[in-house]
Amino acid sequence: SAVISQKPSRDICQRGTSLTIQCQVDSQVTMMFWYRQQPGQSLTLIATANQGSEATYESGFVIDKFPISRPNLTFSTLTVSNMSPEDSSIYLCSAATYNEQFFGPGTRLTVL
Amino acid sequence: KNEVEQSPQNLTAQEGEFITINCSYSVGISALHWLQQHPGGGIVSLFMLSSGKKKHGRLIATINIQEKHSSLHITASHPRDSAVYICAALGAGSYQLTFGKGTKLSVIP
Repeated sequence: SAVISQKPSRDICQRGTSLTIQCQVDSQVTMMFWYRQQPGQSLTLIATANQGSEATYESGFVIDKFPISRPNLTFSTLTVSNMSPEDSSIYLCSAATYNEQFFGPGTRLTVL
Repeated sequence: KNEVEQSPQNLTAQEGEFITINCSYSVGISALHWLQQHPGGGIVSLFMLSSGKKKHGRLIATINIQEKHSSLHITASHPRDSAVYICAALGAGSYQLTFGKGTKLSVIP
């Protein structure tokens, strides 16, 4: 079993600024993912964070808006760039091994 | 693309009641997760199922692969069970999850 921590747990940001969210897993995992949950909506996959290479983005999400890094097998960051109030959401980091999936506590972002 | 539907969307129960939350999906999966999301947004994994039934304390999760349906049951519900319960389907041969919209449960003392 793996434990995922995220920083920050919540933040309130001004329009036009950027925020980087960190995701740390306490053991090596195969895959890491970033999800977004807008108010009243289900969790939606933003991208798969690939270790040592560019992330794989889902339709509707682009690297310029959501740059992602994954320098090693236990750590990833998601940046929400040039934020607008529409970016107010919960951002969730998830990780997977061959037969297990793990979830972070989420980061609640409010953009004013 | 898998479609994951949950019902009901909202559920209010009296303390002690037996609660059932349903989840259906449209495409074959390798596993289904039940998650609990607290008001602060934090998510806790309750169960991962690929067949049959699992039980943990007062929580029971079942899955019927042929009918593409899963249920989460809470026995002797308690106000601390109040949360959003989310089912998520793991596609066959995939690491990616498709999430339902969640069921908001409120248990009243």
